[in-house]
Amino acid sequence: AQSVTQLDSHVSVSEGTPVLLRCNYSSSYSPSLFWYVQHPNKGLQLLLKYTSAATLVKGINGFEAEFKKSETSFHLTKPSAHMSDAAEYFCAGGGSSASKIIFGSGTRLSIRP
Amino acid sequence: GAGVSQSPSNKVTEKGKDVELRCDPISGHTALYWYRQSLGQGLEFLIYFQGNSAPDKSGLPSDRFSAERTGGSVSTLTIQRTQQEDSAVYLCASSLRAAGLYEQYFGPGTRLTVT
Repeated sequence: AQSVTQLDSHVSVSEGTPVLLRCNYSSSYSPSLFWYVQHPNKGLQLLLKYTSAATLVKGINGFEAEFKKSETSFHLTKPSAHMSDAAEYFCAGGGSSASKIIFGSGTRLSIRP
Repeated sequence: GAGVSQSPSNKVTEKGKDVELRCDPISGHTALYWYRQSLGQGLEFLIYFQGNSAPDKSGLPSDRFSAERTGGSVSTLTIQRTQQEDSAVYLCASSLRAAGLYEQYFGPGTRLTVT
């Protein structure tokens, strides 16, 4: 992807409710797309990645993301939030002709008890 | 196997001093990236290496910042005459190749505080 936009800087949900973190990309070719999670005072950890094999990608900790070419979106979802999901989430995109992946600005996920 | 390691984990330095930050990538990864993350902010790309070459230095904030990589492995990021605005977490990542197809694996970061 040539650019990646995370639509929300902060999302707050109650424990046990669904999570939706939104990401849009711009690209003139088939992108590779990624979601990373960063817990406080830690490095980034890869949650999942899309590389054109299947549009619905399952990742770790119950997260999944769906690639929608018509909407240029790659939103991250989880059916039921857990307190341990509170973290910063980064969407990132690249492609075969890019030299590196580009990161979005991040979405802070807060979980209310 | 071993992941990306960075040292030191924390560095406190006085304004005007030089600092060196080190990154050990995953073995076999030819690409290495440096980012800066200020408190509560996103990732700011600094520089990347493919092998020992740095094709893109566009993110280095000033000529006080430099980086090198030797033997296609370890990289050091040097900040000369540190300023308070240099205080941040410096993250290193490596990937199999320098291409947008490959995920990056991140180290735990070096927290730099300039007093």
